[in-house]
Parts: sequence; structure tokens; C-alpha cells
Amino acid sequence: DTAVSQTPKYLVTQMGNDKSIKCEQNLGHDTMYWYKQDSKKFLKIMFSYNNKELIINETVPNRFSPKSPDKAHLNLHINSLELGDSAVYFCASSGSWNTEAFFGQGTRLTVV
Amino acid sequence: AQSVTQLGSHVSVSEGALVLLRCNYSSSVPPYLFWYVQYPNQGLQLLLKYTTGATLVKGINGFEAEFKKSETSFHLTKPSAHMSDAAEYFCAVKEAAGNKLTFGGGTRVLVKP
Repeated sequence: DTAVSQTPKYLVTQMGNDKSIKCEQNLGHDTMYWYKQDSKKFLKIMFSYNNKELIINETVPNRFSPKSPDKAHLNLHINSLELGDSAVYFCASSGSWNTEAFFGQGTRLTVV
Repeated sequence: AQSVTQLGSHVSVSEGALVLLRCNYSSSVPPYLFWYVQYPNQGLQLLLKYTTGATLVKGINGFEAEFKKSETSFHLTKPSAHMSDAAEYFCAVKEAAGNKLTFGGGTRVLVKP
């Protein structure tokens, strides 16, 4: 009965490759997010979708492209991976009836 | 724009001692405030939140926090630390009318036996 699940948990890839991270929530929430956590544990919002529409798009390289096929899914595609993209990426969701965000377990991306 | 400052990136406490983690925020409107905990290699788990009403809020695992508007603070406390409290703690703020959750830099808590 996982609430927010993301796959894969670990991803090791070479520079220049393209990769995707998938996220699904079964909480019935309207809003989903992608956060990036760097090596110093700092969490920064990247994107947010509400009912499949992009509502927050922070200063992120356009190599990062989110896609929301429906309000329960928010995937993150990354083109031409760079060493600096290595981080833990967290998916989260929240509903209109509550204020907090619920987080997935994270995807540790390592670019070599 | 909202921002969150957590004083002290590392805090070391003895088992049984008071845990105090400091959080100050800046926001143009009264915000919602949160504390999250992150255990190693895991996601973030909500400890407690303040939205409206009573300014002293209680959370899971014996933690509580007090919202002080005049000081723009939301400090987290636990009277007696347990070894299982060793983790990274994040304070976060969200404007009531917005969707963006902004985090502080985190505080790592080490509990000594």
C-alpha cells in the first residue's frame, strides 16, 4: 500500500545518456512535485504539476523534462546527463484538502 | 519570496538530553510550517505541521514545535533524545495560497550513548 512510489531506486549511468525516473501516487492527490537533493542534503524544488498542468518550473536546465500523463503519475526525463546531475531525486504529492507533501523513497542517480 | 533558515547543520546530543532544532522563516504572508525527518537512504516523513490554531503543535515520536509569529520561528524540541532520533531534520514553509514547499538546509542530529 505504498503511497508515493518511484522507480528505479538506484540509477547509475554514463555521461551523455538519457534516462527517466517514474513516479506514481495512489493517494488521490491533485499536485505532484519533483525535488532534487544534492550531496549536502539541500532540497530544491524542480517542478510541480496540478491536475496534469505545470504550475511550478524552477530554474532547471531544459535537459530536464517532466511529463504527467495523468494526475497520479509524474515522470522525469533527463537528456544528455552530466556529472552534476548526480543527486537524489524525490517525487512528492499533496492534495487540496491537506497542506503537507508526501514523499517517495527517492532515486539515487549517479552519473559516471 | 519565502525562505527558511535552520541554525546549525549538525547537532550532537546525549541520549536522554533535550533536542532543540532551530528554524526561522521569512514569508510575505502567514505560512504553513512543517518539520520533516529523513532517515538514511529514505524519503522524508512528516513529523508535525502548523497551519492555524494552537501555536504549540505535537507530532510523532515525542516531538513538538511552537510557532512564534513575532520571532518568525518554528523551533522543534524533544525532551529526551533516543538513539533512534539520529537522522536529518528539515524545516519547511509553504504559503497558504501556494503549492511550493520550501526547505531549510537541514540539521543532522547525532545521539551519543
